[in-house]
Amino acid sequence: SQQGEEDPQALSIQEGENATMNCSYKTSINNLQWYRQNSGRGLVHLILIRSNEREKHSGRLRVTLDTSKKSSSLLITASRAADTASYFCATDTDSSYKLIFGSGTRLLVRP
Amino acid sequence: NAGVTQTPKFQVLKTGQSMTLQCAQDMNHNSMYWYRQDPGMGLRLIYYSASEGTTDKGEVPNGYNVSRLNKREFSLRLESAAPSQTSVYFCASSGYPGTDGTTIYFGEGSWLTVV
Repeated sequence: SQQGEEDPQALSIQEGENATMNCSYKTSINNLQWYRQNSGRGLVHLILIRSNEREKHSGRLRVTLDTSKKSSSLLITASRAADTASYFCATDTDSSYKLIFGSGTRLLVRP
Repeated sequence: NAGVTQTPKFQVLKTGQSMTLQCAQDMNHNSMYWYRQDPGMGLRLIYYSASEGTTDKGEVPNGYNVSRLNKREFSLRLESAAPSQTSVYFCASSGYPGTDGTTIYFGEGSWLTVV
């Protein structure tokens, strides 16, 4: 079974609005990462947050991590049509550092 | 910079045929991975290689074999293809943990159809 589960599965918003996606995981982690996938392409790394961090920012992205609830959220502010993509969280769970991905949130930003 | 390069991009196989997906990275990364992605789903790890000379099973290894040929190359082989192996396959690599964590760099994918 997959380690991470994103919520919602699909999200449709108007350009300029904020988009929030959530990720829950099952076991203790070393790091949690968010990736973006445009249709028909490979995944691209967005941001990494370590287990001892609570919040991290990168441009219009804000990631939070709550290890007590085993959950993370990705906020995209002032969304653009070009942000339309699928977003995945991924966690590494042990010293082997292999990443396990969630099932993703499909974001549609309407112009 | 090429990053992670995988071939072929598209392939159609008949049930029972064999084939090898090739992957190479030019970032001097230690770890390499093969994932599969089915429609509307996330990625599932097939096999990974933490370093040259080692390989380990991931979540869905059945029906696949891998070879870490050298530090740059990591191939995935389907010995007897089945329709259930119709999927998009992604090769990926990552550097040594502690430098950029476990950030993974992906290839563009290989679309495999088994009929």
